[in-house]
Amino acid sequence: EAGVTQFPSHSVIEKGQTVTLRCDPISGHDNLYWYRRVMGKEIKFLLHFVKESKQDESGMPNNRFLAERTGGTYSTLKVQPAELEDSGVYFCASTLTEGPNTEAFFGQGTRLTVV
Amino acid sequence: AQSVTQLDSQVPVFEEAPVELRCNYSSSVSVYLFWYVQYPNQGLQLLLKYLSGSTLVKGINGFEAEFNKSQTSFHLRKPSVHISDTAEYFCASGGNFNKFYFGSGTKLNVKP
Repeated sequence: EAGVTQFPSHSVIEKGQTVTLRCDPISGHDNLYWYRRVMGKEIKFLLHFVKESKQDESGMPNNRFLAERTGGTYSTLKVQPAELEDSGVYFCASTLTEGPNTEAFFGQGTRLTVV
Repeated sequence: AQSVTQLDSQVPVFEEAPVELRCNYSSSVSVYLFWYVQYPNQGLQLLLKYLSGSTLVKGINGFEAEFNKSQTSFHLRKPSVHISDTAEYFCASGGNFNKFYFGSGTKLNVKP
């Protein structure tokens, strides 16, 4: 069974450009999460989808970030326009159900560098 | 609000020695606690979790952690490490909706 897959694995863009990150969760997982780790600091929650609906987007840093999950399958996270402080590793995770008894599976992350 | 503090950013240790990675949490409500490991170029992998019950939790690869409510700690231990344990380890707290609060990570470097 395929795990959580993220594309691309690395992205280097210039300040002001647009970048779109993609996450393919494990098939059948209704819950999808985005996290970000900036400069070796803690991994921080960005948002949570249940199917195609945003359950919690309290961690989204500002309106330059747009997350979508059309059809409740894969998700995209678009940064437009990118700023230097957006550099970091973006992780995606998925779970079958909500609740602590369900294991969260993480992708390998997308390393975004804004120059 | 929940938060997690990992006191050591890097821990060097020789192979076959014991290791303890420290984690303290802060929460005004009941929490669930987790340890994740990230090997190079891989995603985060669950090592173990504490939800309730026995305060000593055993995980994969010989790791264990002890939940200490009075000290608000959830330290990770392994009695004898291997080279293959070299990775970054993350402590996390979470609630009912899998929204994790992670620490800043501890890089474990096992030397031969």
